[in-house]
Amino acid sequence: AQSVTQLGSHVSVSEGALVLLRCNYSSSVPPYLFWYVQYPNQGLQLLLKYTTGATLVKGINGFEAEFKKSETSFHLTKPSAHMSDAAEYFCAVSEGGSQGNLIFGKGTKLSVKP
Amino acid sequence: GAVVSQHPSWVICKSGTSVKIECRSLDFQATTMFWYRQFPKQSLMLMATSNEGSKATYEQGVEKDKFLINHASLTLSTLTVTSAHPEDSSFYICSARKGAGGYETQYFGPGTRLLVL
Repeated sequence: AQSVTQLGSHVSVSEGALVLLRCNYSSSVPPYLFWYVQYPNQGLQLLLKYTTGATLVKGINGFEAEFKKSETSFHLTKPSAHMSDAAEYFCAVSEGGSQGNLIFGKGTKLSVKP
Repeated sequence: GAVVSQHPSWVICKSGTSVKIECRSLDFQATTMFWYRQFPKQSLMLMATSNEGSKATYEQGVEKDKFLINHASLTLSTLTVTSAHPEDSSFYICSARKGAGGYETQYFGPGTRLLVL
């Protein structure tokens, strides 16, 4: 069965610092991978996704993630954190490609200090 | 764009009553919608997959008679929590799948917070 592990339930960075949120997955088939952001009391917004092709994926709000098959990882990064980036971030893997169900990690709460 | 709405955003009800939550895809048609449940400080757990014109597919451990799902049109799915109890209090989020042919993406609604007293 596919699964997603997000290392660190809470990450705190200073404004302007690098953001690195870790995600590792397990899958017996080529995965589709996603990062979603959730602001308090809101639904999820898609940040970026990897399906096939280029392993470095750029998303909204300056975020990007790199698919590393050898490491089974899909870490999310942003060069310079903004206060508005404070939110909960979820990594997800899809069973069965784009038509499959999403399996979510437990989430990482990002705090940004002024 | 791909906008998904949910109504209501908040609902408080008494134990034993039923609550209906609507999920709409506003600018696209969705043959498949999903219903998730999220407990505080936890991830989303898929409850069921809703397919237009057919019965929903429930995940293991989800009571289909308690959580009734109806996908009556290509833009509307409803979740009815029947005879709600305090343990059903949670944040319910729907998503709608847009696209076809290997290019599908799930778009999420803003969620509905249910509090059962």
